[in-house]
Amino acid sequence: DTGVSQNPRHKITKRGQNVTFRCDPISEHNRLYWYRQTLGQGPEFLTYFQNEAQLEKSRLLSDRFSAERPKGSFSTLEIQRTEQGDSAMYLCASSARTRVMQYFGPGTRLTVL
Amino acid sequence: DAKTTQPTSMDCAEGRAANLPCNHSTISGNEYVYWYRQIHSQGPQYIIHGLKNNETNEMASLIITEDRKSSTLILPHATLRDTAVYYCIVRVPIIQGAQKLVFGQGTRLTINP
Repeated sequence: DTGVSQNPRHKITKRGQNVTFRCDPISEHNRLYWYRQTLGQGPEFLTYFQNEAQLEKSRLLSDRFSAERPKGSFSTLEIQRTEQGDSAMYLCASSARTRVMQYFGPGTRLTVL
Repeated sequence: DAKTTQPTSMDCAEGRAANLPCNHSTISGNEYVYWYRQIHSQGPQYIIHGLKNNETNEMASLIITEDRKSSTLILPHATLRDTAVYYCIVRVPIIQGAQKLVFGQGTRLTINP
């Protein structure tokens, strides 16, 4: 399967702990996006990478959140000092420069207790 | 951000055509309309997109009104597996030719046997 993959699929953590999620985009896609989806809502944009450069960040991305894409391939999203309000589905999407569609991974569901 | 409005929920009988409306009265002349769907606990799946002409692919048809202020997604022969939340989306430019997807709450489509 050459689609977007995300790990882990589920993460349960206690408030105050740090968590890290990984996204592996489709191999030839140089554009990578992170979105967050809370229960009953549509996904909301968090941040965008073109190759290894993080070019856009939403105001939703507080200073407890950091994302990297060190070699322009996989990406990680870290949340420090998690809060209950961080409980959500974190979705990764990728696209090729010449294509308009964003392809989404299955998401990582985070539960903060 | 450009916004879309959709009915919260719809029902359709299995085997019949499902017609999902969307209003996007603030869309600008060069903005495409995208449709994605999200089956429970999965990432959003691309369905179709269009600018001003009607479009058809193996999944669905997209009818865009001449004034481009509304569109209708048509699933010609709905099956139980088409039960999902359907999102009508207008992309918003961010930087260097990239665009983010701005999701609303979507239409929850239930296909009934």
